[in-house]
Amino acid sequence: LAKTTQPISMDSYEGQEVNITCSHNNIATNDYITWYQQFPSQGPRFIIQGYKTKVTNEVASLFIPADRKSSTLSLPRVSLSDTAVYYCLVGDSGAGSYQLTFGKGTKLSVIP
Amino acid sequence: DAGVTQSPTHLIKTRGQQVTLRCSPKSGHDTVSWYQQALGQGPQFIFQYYEEEERQRGNFPDRFSGHQFPNYSSELNVNALLLGDSALYLCASSLKTTNEKLFFGSGTQLSVL
Repeated sequence: LAKTTQPISMDSYEGQEVNITCSHNNIATNDYITWYQQFPSQGPRFIIQGYKTKVTNEVASLFIPADRKSSTLSLPRVSLSDTAVYYCLVGDSGAGSYQLTFGKGTKLSVIP
Repeated sequence: DAGVTQSPTHLIKTRGQQVTLRCSPKSGHDTVSWYQQALGQGPQFIFQYYEEEERQRGNFPDRFSGHQFPNYSSELNVNALLLGDSALYLCASSLKTTNEKLFFGSGTQLSVL
């Protein structure tokens, strides 16, 4: 089964740019890469989604290389409210079934 | 426009009991997925419902079952509860049976004593 790998945790000071990389070596051809943000005792919240190259929205950018075996979520000028767990989500088409697999997540701590 | 709503928000059960959790999807969505999230872990996929049928299933035993109603709402049932079933149960809705944009509810915190 395909799986994702992310750093367990990251620390950053307020105002800095944060880049979180996710590895997904067995991503399927038609899969999209989606990132979610989760605060304690809440459900994950959609941040950004992409298929290849670069996607940007009002809160983040997503960089995907040509081989699509990894992706990098970029958060510009983080604030204390960005302290959360960030998950990388890709489809899992191994073993003849299509499953939705979250990575273990990266706990981002923003320091004043 | 209401988002995904789940009930109850918290629930306490004892081992061996059965529990039913409920989910109403975001308006306009037709697909509901259920996830189990243990403390400190990422959400684990249980199953997905579309057109009132289970379309995909994760690595969970048959004690976990579900249902989707004609109005797209869904229930998750867990029989013969174990201590290890204690977790946050999340419902997510979407438009298709793909891993595209999911909208999550705030979850039901289940404690099994």
